[in-house]
Amino acid sequence: GAGVSQSPRYKVAKRGQDVALRCDPISGHVSLFWYQQALGQGPEFLTYFQNEAQLDKSGLPSDRFFAERPEGSVSTLKIQRTQQEDSAVYLCASSLALGEGGNEQFFGPGTRLTVL
Amino acid sequence: EDKVVQSPLSLVVHEGDTVTLNCSYEVTNFRSLLWYKQEKKAPTFLFMLTSSGIEKKSGRLSSILDKKELFSILNITATQTGDSAVYLCASISEYGNKLVFGAGTILRVKS
Repeated sequence: GAGVSQSPRYKVAKRGQDVALRCDPISGHVSLFWYQQALGQGPEFLTYFQNEAQLDKSGLPSDRFFAERPEGSVSTLKIQRTQQEDSAVYLCASSLALGEGGNEQFFGPGTRLTVL
Repeated sequence: EDKVVQSPLSLVVHEGDTVTLNCSYEVTNFRSLLWYKQEKKAPTFLFMLTSSGIEKKSGRLSSILDKKELFSILNITATQTGDSAVYLCASISEYGNKLVFGAGTILRVKS
């Protein structure tokens, strides 16, 4: 596709419910990133994939957060037993980068998660 | 821990004004600094700066990096209402791919 797409755009969940957020990166992009953006803050890194390998998951806030990219393209971020503090916009980004150190990351429109 | 700080937090100007947004960073093994514009949801890429003292320019926007003083500025001249957005600054290190963002500057341009 022309850009990074994410679905759903909005998700309302009851506390304790599991959610799954999807990201379709730009075709051919090797690297994929997930960020969490709380209201009034900049995005914060969650996890990073290079192809299907999850190379860095240091930003995942708890073991309730799980991400996968089994075929090296589409990725899913899953949050189990959602809590109110999980309410945020979840942004996905992709880049052509094969190695470390800095290439432009293209962002999707995000999924706004609200946990009641 | 890598840190990026932006100032001011918010700014209101009139159309035609020139604005300067600031970004300072403390990053281990710094490689590049990036500027993004965020309207509604998706941050859109503006500039990536790797070398010190070289201005990058795109229309009315320009940016420069000072690696000695560890800061960057984003200038917008002849502002328009369409420039209203959150401007995000982010660093990237030599040994990682993740972006470390500042909290952003909220710019509002009044007609």
